[in-house]
Amino acid sequence: GQQLNQSPQSMFIQEGEDVSMNCTSSSIFNTWLWYKQEPGEGPVLLIALYKAGELTSNGRLTAQFGITRKDSFLNISASIPSDVGIYFCAGSRSSNTGKLIFGQGTTLQVKP
Amino acid sequence: NAGVTQTPKFQVLKTGQSMTLQCAQDMNHNSMYWYRQDPGMGLRLIYYSASEGTTDKGEVPNGYNVSRLNKREFSLRLESAAPSQTSVYFCASREGRTGPTYGYTFGSGTRLTVV
Repeated sequence: GQQLNQSPQSMFIQEGEDVSMNCTSSSIFNTWLWYKQEPGEGPVLLIALYKAGELTSNGRLTAQFGITRKDSFLNISASIPSDVGIYFCAGSRSSNTGKLIFGQGTTLQVKP
Repeated sequence: NAGVTQTPKFQVLKTGQSMTLQCAQDMNHNSMYWYRQDPGMGLRLIYYSASEGTTDKGEVPNGYNVSRLNKREFSLRLESAAPSQTSVYFCASREGRTGPTYGYTFGSGTRLTVV
């Protein structure tokens, strides 16, 4: 089935560093979302983007909806140990069904 | 606490056995979804219910059935479990059918192993 291409697959960084990850698709999406999943839990929504070019922040997190509507980016500034987890991008084409297509995830580890 | 409740949290089945995964939400959400999560694959949609009384197939529906029992509950049934169905299953709900209400709320998952 179709999936989004998310990269990188994993990152191991030092506390205080900035993090960037992205998601690309061969087709257009109307909505992009970013989720974080911690061990043993379901994903939790971080940021939702509804318009091409939109740039939205949530604390130290900033995400952008690509102009082409085929990609999205998530940046985390000044990482801290609690940022550890798996980050997923997700795209939606239909506001009626709400079906999401997820990327494969980026596993983030932060060294104190 | 308001949210999505999934039961059971863990289950081991033998090949060929059947079981039903339960999901209930208390947020009065219209839409509900079942996803499976496999290593390196992200989450893939199995079935969804855009509103009470409707269900539709997602990306990977084979081997599963669903029932939207009422607005709160959406169950997933494996009629004859296979090892390929070993996975973590997530139920999610969403408030709206239109507009920017994509804030899925996920349950904490059911970890299923088929031996």
